[in-house]
Amino acid sequence: ETGVTQSPTHLIKTRGQQVTLRCSSQSGHNTVSWYQQALGQGPQFIFQYYREEENGRGNFPPRFSGLQFPNYSSELNVNALELDDSALYLCASSLEIATDTQYFGPGTRLTVL
Amino acid sequence: ILNVEQSPQSLHVQEGDSTNFTCSFPSSNFYALHWYRWETAKSPEALFVMTLNGDEKKKGRISATLNTKEGYSYLYIKGSQPEDSATYLCAFASGGSYIPTFGRGTSLIVHP
Repeated sequence: ETGVTQSPTHLIKTRGQQVTLRCSSQSGHNTVSWYQQALGQGPQFIFQYYREEENGRGNFPPRFSGLQFPNYSSELNVNALELDDSALYLCASSLEIATDTQYFGPGTRLTVL
Repeated sequence: ILNVEQSPQSLHVQEGDSTNFTCSFPSSNFYALHWYRWETAKSPEALFVMTLNGDEKKKGRISATLNTKEGYSYLYIKGSQPEDSATYLCAFASGGSYIPTFGRGTSLIVHP
């Protein structure tokens, strides 16, 4: 049992709007990573937070931003939504860094119309 | 941009068959290689984290090998069962960024 939850499960937005996706990590996991999975692709790394500080960022524009809170919850915010932002968004928590097992949530399916 | 390739893209086998898939990754600056199983409508589930050249890991009927010098890992499933049907993802982490780069996955369907 991973213990990682995400909300909401599904979300529909229109182009130009803003969205906040939420993740609750396993207790004690200091690292949370966010991924975008478009249809037919593997998960693409968006960014990672370690102890509430951004600790690495993938090739995503600044309108993708995040926060990590002391209670092991985190957020992914996307401003000025574009059609191509339609995807499954996954969060994953781990104890520390890349050699640690990542525990994934079930994802949030975002559709931008 | 790191290139992580998985093959085949999809695979259909009969129950009882043994099968294997490949994950190819850059052979330089290796840090870790992860394997995940992702069943439909569920969360990706970690299978193995491999860090040393020559590593062999086993979990029930599933095993994996790692060759960091040539940049590949094999995942083997012995005696496939319908419940093994899933997408199998590998993710490579380099020593530079430590951030996993995922392949597109191999979709396995096991027919009863």
